[in-house]
Parts: sequence; structure tokens; C-alpha cells
Amino acid sequence: LAKTTQPISMDSYEGQEVNITCSHNNIATNDYITWYQQFPSQGPRFIIQGYKTKVKNEVASLFIPADRKSSTLSLPRVSLSDTAVYYCLVGDVSGTYKYIFGTGTRLKVLA
Amino acid sequence: DTAVSQTPKYLVTQMGNDKSIKCEQNLGHDTMYWYKQDSKKFLKIMFSYNNKELIINETVPNRFSPKSPDKAHLNLHINSLELGDSAVYFCASSHIFNSPLHFGNGTRLTVT
Repeated sequence: LAKTTQPISMDSYEGQEVNITCSHNNIATNDYITWYQQFPSQGPRFIIQGYKTKVKNEVASLFIPADRKSSTLSLPRVSLSDTAVYYCLVGDVSGTYKYIFGTGTRLKVLA
Repeated sequence: DTAVSQTPKYLVTQMGNDKSIKCEQNLGHDTMYWYKQDSKKFLKIMFSYNNKELIINETVPNRFSPKSPDKAHLNLHINSLELGDSAVYFCASSHIFNSPLHFGNGTRLTVT
């Protein structure tokens, strides 16, 4: 099973770009990389998903190097409302729908 | 319009009681899950159902029994509640393998 490692916490200021890196050394060929955001008292919310290179949507960008052993979630110009926990996941290699969440990165955006 | 809804939102009960949490999704997904988030915020998968069939039972005590009457519903029944069962329980669903999970807003269970 692919395991992910992320920084426990990060601080940033409003208006800055935030990059959160996730390591997944044992990622399998068929695994996708998915990022979720969780606010207090809410369920995790899908942000972005990718397989390789770069993916971008209206919320974030996801950078994946050629070896796919890591990925970086990039949040442009964060605001106070981006304060949340961010989780990186990789799909289970056996296809048994077992999405394993890591510890997540607690991002705090300061004014 | 809520995609994945859970009831109740809060559940306070005493040790030894039996309780149920209900989950419904209106997204037409084939797969549903139960996750447990403890006080340290770790999210652990408990169960996964695909087309009403149990496909993951992640070493959960048999006091926990999921039931899926149809593809849109996955309920969680807990017998003989213990203090350690206190946590937030999240229901989720997904369309196909590797597709994003859609979570409900959780049920905060407190066992006293």
C-alpha cells in the first residue's frame, strides 16, 4: 500500500502562494494522487487529482515529477479561509477501494 | 441537494448502549465508505461497500455492523458502545476506483 508523508503543519500569510509537498515513494503504476481539504466540523472536500506532470483547476495546481514519488499542491494567493487540514492520498494498488489518509498538513493562514 | 448526508449530526449516549448512524448519497455512486476520525484527527477507513457488497472490513470490532439496503444507503450500527468509540464518523461515496471521494459532514459520537 502506498503510504504518504506530509509536513504536520505550515504557516503562511494572506496573499502568499503555499506549496505543500507529499512523499509517496511506493506509489504504484495505476495509482492516482488526490488532495483533500478539511475544515473543522466538516468532511474532507476534494481539491484536485492527478496522475503525472501538472494539473490545474480553479482552486489549485498539482505538480507531479516524472518519478511520481512525490507531489506538490500549490495554492495561489491564500486567504484566511484557506486555513484547513490538507490531505494527500494515493489510490490502493489492489483496487480494493481502500483510500488511506495520512496525517495531513495543518495550514494556518495569518493576516 | 446535499450529496452525502448523515444523520444524526451529534450523538451522545452511555456506555453499553446500541446506536445507529445513517448515510445516504444522491450522486448515483456505486461505492460507499465509513471512516472514523479520532481526537488526533487521523482518518481511518472502517468499511467499504461496492454495489451493496462489503469489500473492505478494516479490522473493526464486530460490534460495528454496516448495512447497505441499496446502493444509495450505508448505515452503521454499533452495539455495546465503549468510551473508545467516541469519535467523528464520516460516510463517503465514490463513483469508480480512483475517483474522488465525496464525504458527508460527519456524526460526532460521544460515549459517556
